[in-house]
Amino acid sequence: QQPVQSPQAVILREGEDAVINCSSSKALYSVHWYRQKHGEAPVFLMILLKGGEQKGHEKISASFNEKKQQSSLYLTASQLSYSGTYFCGTVSGGYQKVTFGIGTKLQVIP
Amino acid sequence: AAGVIQSPRHLIKEKRETATLKCYPIPRHDTVYWYQQGPGQDPQFLISFYEKMQSDKGSIPDRFSAQQFSDYHSELNMSSLELGDSALYFCASSFSRGHEQYFGPGTRLTVT
Repeated sequence: QQPVQSPQAVILREGEDAVINCSSSKALYSVHWYRQKHGEAPVFLMILLKGGEQKGHEKISASFNEKKQQSSLYLTASQLSYSGTYFCGTVSGGYQKVTFGIGTKLQVIP
Repeated sequence: AAGVIQSPRHLIKEKRETATLKCYPIPRHDTVYWYQQGPGQDPQFLISFYEKMQSDKGSIPDRFSAQQFSDYHSELNMSSLELGDSALYFCASSFSRGHEQYFGPGTRLTVT
């Protein structure tokens, strides 16, 4: 079942902060976060694993509430380069099948 | 750093033809995943391989098949192509199962 992302779209001015949320109805093994620019491949941002381990870029932070099956991605001091579609992907049960949400379109304007 | 390589980058086929997409994972990555992404949609998981064995299966049509070879590269074979198969096909690789996935640049398939 596809995770639910919110908001679906957001416009920020440079320097502003944003939070993107992801929730699932299933117990999760891990949550993946990717950013995709139009016509390009998704780029890995962060992985959060059950048990607290996480790995990702230094300037990106995220949280994972295992009990609520929710994750949030925190973007601070946004830059123009942050623009793109952010996907959360969830893994439950099996090791590998990542089910992506519909994405959050983020636009950063000067 | 080496990235995932996909070939071809663009492919135009007619209905009912066949297509083969290739994926070369990042060196030392033993797990490969295939995704299909339609315009304005999220990537849909098709199939994955770990250590040359099929590991997980998603919404892959029966007309499609895939395998991972001894050198860990993977091929997605698509037969009896339909107009609806037109999409971006991404391959991703990871170091073992359950780890972060790194996506290749994708193959844009157009079926006319």
